[in-house]
Amino acid sequence: EDKVVQSPLSLVVHEGDTVTLNCSYEVTNFRSLLWYKQEKKAPTFLFMLTSSGIEKKSGRLSSILDKKELFSILNITATQTGDSAIYLCAVVGGSARQLTFGSGTQLTVLP
Amino acid sequence: KAGVTQTPRYLIKTRGQQVTLSCSPISGHRSVSWYQQTPGQGLQFLFEYFSETQRNKGNFPGRFSGRQFSNSRSEMNVSTLELGDSALYLCASSFLQGVDTGELFFGEGSRLTVL
Repeated sequence: EDKVVQSPLSLVVHEGDTVTLNCSYEVTNFRSLLWYKQEKKAPTFLFMLTSSGIEKKSGRLSSILDKKELFSILNITATQTGDSAIYLCAVVGGSARQLTFGSGTQLTVLP
Repeated sequence: KAGVTQTPRYLIKTRGQQVTLSCSPISGHRSVSWYQQTPGQGLQFLFEYFSETQRNKGNFPGRFSGRQFSNSRSEMNVSTLELGDSALYLCASSFLQGVDTGELFFGEGSRLTVL
């Protein structure tokens, strides 16, 4: 059975801190790994990673994939209160090419 | 460009009843997938429709069903509701089938409470 595990489950930091969120996976026929941010209801897309070792970057957020060790990290530098959200990791794989989500990391950034 | 629209946003049902949820994808998107989100289980894949055909299905009982219309709008139905069906049901649309493009656009969800 495909599995995606995120850690930590929750994290509380202060503005300006740097955080690293982890995602490990066991998926057959891996195709890609996706990161989403869920603030209230609708998750919004952050990154898609398909190749090992290539960093994707968007402003203060960056992510990298290690296909050998089967994990990805999402880094957020100089955190702001607006970064408070649930960060979801999902992997595309399996025979049905479906998304398997992790349980998410709840990030709280205090002023 | 309008986003993914889900209706109703909130609903309360009692055990044994059935419910139908609706999802209108972004204009031009042909793929609609449904997810159930609960605090304990996280986001779980229900099924995906593309061009009116169910393409993929998750591990949910047959009480969960869906369909897609020619205009790409989709509905999901849950029959004989159980307390454990209380959840946020999210719909996501994409232009292509599956998630090979990576970017799914999610609606804000329908919050179902079963009493």
